[in-house]
Amino acid sequence: AQKVTQAQTEISVVEKEDVTLDCVYETRDTTYYLFWYKQPPSGELVFLIRRNSFDEQNEISGRYSWNFQKSTSSFNFTITASQVVDSAVYFCALSEALGFNKFYFGSGTKLNVKP
Amino acid sequence: NAGVTQTPKFRILKIGQSMTLQCTQDMNHNYMYWYRQDPGMGLKLIYYSVGAGITDKGEVPNGYNVSRSTTEDFPLRLELAAPSQTSVYFCASSSPRGPTYEQYFGPGTRLTVT
Repeated sequence: AQKVTQAQTEISVVEKEDVTLDCVYETRDTTYYLFWYKQPPSGELVFLIRRNSFDEQNEISGRYSWNFQKSTSSFNFTITASQVVDSAVYFCALSEALGFNKFYFGSGTKLNVKP
Repeated sequence: NAGVTQTPKFRILKIGQSMTLQCTQDMNHNYMYWYRQDPGMGLKLIYYSVGAGITDKGEVPNGYNVSRSTTEDFPLRLELAAPSQTSVYFCASSSPRGPTYEQYFGPGTRLTVT
């Protein structure tokens, strides 16, 4: 069965600190996709990144970086030099490669960035 | 493109009432989904559809019904509303032929059943 675990319910940091959000997943599929979404206080869901299971290269986009490790079934998300605008709930999700792109979401990590 | 639109944004229902949440996408996506998000929780899949006329149950389908008569529209019907259905409902769509394969989400409908 597919499962995504985000063990950190809530994290508080002070602006300019680095913060890492953890995501651990379970799947029997050999081909799958992993995602991160951001949900700001306004409530919408914003797509951040997609990774497929064949691509273990880390990715950096500005202050955001992602570390994908198949050996530990983890797909962690780091924000460098956090800003108040980064305050949001962040969701990790897993989808099937075969079938109908059903998503399995983690329970989310609420990030509070204080000035 | 408007993307995925949902109506209404907010709704209060009394126990036992029924309503339909509307969802429309203009991206010609085959796949559409309905999720609910309970306070402090992640999203759970209610129903999904892989094309017009084809729907299937997700994790939490009880108390809901869907139909998909066109590619664009995927309404969610609540019959005999119960307090346990108080939640935020998100509609989403995706296309496996897209460059990033992500799901595009609507802005959500906040439903309260009292």
